[in-house]
Amino acid sequence: DAMVIQNPRYQVTQFGKPVTLSCSQTLNHNVMYWYQQKSSQAPKLLFHYYDKDFNNEADTPDNFQSRRPNTSFCFLDIRSPGLGDAAMYLCATSRAVGTVQETQYFGPGTRLLVL
Amino acid sequence: SQQGEEDPQALSIQEGENATMNCSYKTSINNLQWYRQNSGRGLVHLILIRSNEREKHSGRLRVTLDTSKKSSSLLITASRAADTASYFCATDMYSGGGADGLTFGKGTHLIIQP
Repeated sequence: DAMVIQNPRYQVTQFGKPVTLSCSQTLNHNVMYWYQQKSSQAPKLLFHYYDKDFNNEADTPDNFQSRRPNTSFCFLDIRSPGLGDAAMYLCATSRAVGTVQETQYFGPGTRLLVL
Repeated sequence: SQQGEEDPQALSIQEGENATMNCSYKTSINNLQWYRQNSGRGLVHLILIRSNEREKHSGRLRVTLDTSKKSSSLLITASRAADTASYFCATDMYSGGGADGLTFGKGTHLIIQP
């Protein structure tokens, strides 16, 4: 049974054309994360939601935004994709109490191609 | 900045042999996790070890943590061809401000030769 679901699995967009990636979870976890992973590199955290609180990493470009309308869903919006934004985007969830978080569970990822 | 650094970056062994991967990190942590990633796929969680634990087992996997040296190791015993993948360590740093994301090392690419 899928626990962290990402749609679509593959996304092709044009340079500068806004794109939205979606993530949903059935785990009822209070924290959701978005990571970017470029080819042959480690995943890099973009931002996360702790409940409704948005936490942006200092080096995440303004081009990347996120929305979490409810516990189950989280979206990654790329306002004006550039060629350098082509990557695998990974969504993850975890249960956290205070400063302690448990295991992060990852979705299968969405591979973004920018033409 | 990169928190975890794995070594070796690549490891090729014969099926049946044991594989050991190491990870070092720089700052205090709440816990350290190991993940596996098959080519072009998502991350699969293997083991979480907390900062007050020294060793943990799961099937053919054994993870150690030495907080004084800021290092961890992942041992896969009796390797199989299906173990071929990239392995990442990831640290959950204590920031005092809430649950933060994971910081991943660069990964070890493990190849099991039949």
